[in-house]
Amino acid sequence: DGGITQSPKYLFRKEGQNVTLSCEQNLNHDAMYWYRQDPGQGLRLIYYSQIVNDFQKGDIAEGYSVSREKKESFPLTVTSAQKNPTAFYLCASSIGGRGGSNEQFFGPGTRLTVL
Amino acid sequence: QKEVEQDPGPLSVPEGAIVSLNCTYSNSAFQYFMWYRQYSRKGPELLMYTYSSGNKEDGRFTAQVDKSSKYISLFIRDSQPSDSATYLCAMSSYNQGGKLIFGQGTELSVKP
Repeated sequence: DGGITQSPKYLFRKEGQNVTLSCEQNLNHDAMYWYRQDPGQGLRLIYYSQIVNDFQKGDIAEGYSVSREKKESFPLTVTSAQKNPTAFYLCASSIGGRGGSNEQFFGPGTRLTVL
Repeated sequence: QKEVEQDPGPLSVPEGAIVSLNCTYSNSAFQYFMWYRQYSRKGPELLMYTYSSGNKEDGRFTAQVDKSSKYISLFIRDSQPSDSATYLCAMSSYNQGGKLIFGQGTELSVKP
């Protein structure tokens, strides 16, 4: 079955630690996205990538980093510089291209808690 | 002012009711409109997709877009307890580089 997988489902981090969230897709999509979701605030875009080896900052990129070395994979690192990292993190992908349909398909999410 | 506004609710209705969920937006360039359903602690799933103005129906769900009023709606007929979820509207324009702008979501509860 084609889809998007995220791991782990739950992640606990001590203050001052960097952690990396995994996102893999087998939909052959060019574009991938990372969102953060906090209660009552909808989805906020952290980073996105329209093609391998290229990515752009979203609205709340500070304290996060990404890489896009393979089409299927778009890992997100939450660094110690992120002041309030406890949140639900969602990865999504879409066919891509600068125009046309922008339907995004989401993974199941990773819930990160800072202890 | 946010680009997309959505009443956060919560909205509680009895089983069988017709539900109306709405979003307003300010960017007249938006032409792709989506509704996502998100169950608690899960990723959003795409429910409806509409291009430009008009209506689209899929089973008990109808999506409406009124570009002249910058207003979109999702109607759920014969609502079921399994429809209890958060509903997110999302939209984009042709030159947005694939980015979607999301509403903050409306939490719906359908009581048996």
